[in-house]
Amino acid sequence: GDSVTQMEGPVTLSEEAFLTINCTYTATGYPSLFWYVQYPGEGLQLLLKATKADDKGSNKGFEATYRKETTSFHLEKGSVQVSDSAVYFCALGSNDYKLSFGAGTTVTVRA
Amino acid sequence: EPEVTQTPSHQVTQMGQEVILRCVPISNHLYFYWYRQILGQKVEFLVSFYNNEISEKSEIFDDQFSVERPDGSNFTLKIRSTKLEDSAMYFCATLYITGTEAFFGQGTRLTVV
Repeated sequence: GDSVTQMEGPVTLSEEAFLTINCTYTATGYPSLFWYVQYPGEGLQLLLKATKADDKGSNKGFEATYRKETTSFHLEKGSVQVSDSAVYFCALGSNDYKLSFGAGTTVTVRA
Repeated sequence: EPEVTQTPSHQVTQMGQEVILRCVPISNHLYFYWYRQILGQKVEFLVSFYNNEISEKSEIFDDQFSVERPDGSNFTLKIRSTKLEDSAMYFCATLYITGTEAFFGQGTRLTVV
């Protein structure tokens, strides 16, 4: 079945550091790919998405490119801030529209 | 901005009791989902609901669980007889059409004691 494998954390960075969180997927068909973020004590918010191969999703300085050849959707940000401290979830949307989530990566950014 | 609303935000219940978690979807959304997140673990799919019936359910969604849209607006998840291991954050999500993003509610934290 469809699944997502996500780099596990926790990840601790200093402000202005470069962040990469790896995500690879296994799926039949042509899934959509998403990154969701969960700030402390809050629910899930969509960070960015890509619906087909080679699409790049971007939001709030974060980017991820849908790579069909490597079945990957790695999240990157060039310069993180303390406010980026959160749990990040990679997710795959299958043909029946449900989401399969990765395990989540906890990111802590120190001032 | 439209949002998915879940109530209550936190519920504590005794083992064996029934609980109903409520969700008000974004209007004109067609697909509805429940997910759960046990503390510190991944978000897991429970059930999807479309056209007033269950589209798909996971192994977690056993006979103790049920969903319905009793009045065409609310979307509820009922757990008939709660167990300790049902303690988790439960998220409702709604989707307009395929290819668009699912919008999640803030979640209901269920604690079974």
